[in-house]
Amino acid sequence: SQKIEQNSEALNIQEGKTATLTCNYTNYSPAYLQWYRQDPGRGPVFLLLIRENEKEKRKERLKVTFDTTLKQSLFHITASQPADSATYLCASGRGDTGRRALTFGSGTRLQVQP
Amino acid sequence: GAGVSQSPRYKVAKRGQDVALRCDPISGHVSLFWYQQALGQGPEFLTYFQNEAQLDKSGLPSDRFFAERPEGSVSTLKIQRTQQEDSAVYLCASSLEYGGTDTQYFGPGTRLTVL
Repeated sequence: SQKIEQNSEALNIQEGKTATLTCNYTNYSPAYLQWYRQDPGRGPVFLLLIRENEKEKRKERLKVTFDTTLKQSLFHITASQPADSATYLCASGRGDTGRRALTFGSGTRLQVQP
Repeated sequence: GAGVSQSPRYKVAKRGQDVALRCDPISGHVSLFWYQQALGQGPEFLTYFQNEAQLDKSGLPSDRFFAERPEGSVSTLKIQRTQQEDSAVYLCASSLEYGGTDTQYFGPGTRLTVL
């Protein structure tokens, strides 16, 4: 079955450093991957999307890569700030009209220390 | 503008009770999704509507779970004879597009606790 895995251990980094989060998928080939941010008590908020034919996407301090050979996506936050502390979720989609469900990983909690 | 809203935000039910959770999607959004999120886990898909049509209900865990969207806007997720394992946050999301790689906009969720 489709499976998305994220490092369940929290990632602690110092302010100003680059945070790198990993998302691995097995047993299928997603048409695209999305990254979401989730704060306690709130729903996920969309950050970035990358398609299977794209290597890299950037948005302000965020960068995401998609390596279909390694079956992996990396999510980077440069010049991290304490306000970036949250749980980050990776999600995959098939892109089919009839199969619109996203498959989520369990998320990685990021803590940025001032 | 207004985002996705859900009510109630918190619901406590005794085992065996029926509950109804409401979702108001963003106005004009065609697609609506329900997800279940257990503590410390990512959201898991339950069901998907395109307008009033329920196109995918493969994630509903049992026949105690039922969802509807009769007029293609507001949706209700109903859980009958609740069990303790139903305790979770239920998230609703909506999106504008019919297909492709659309962004899903999530509500704040309803936290259901079954005693």
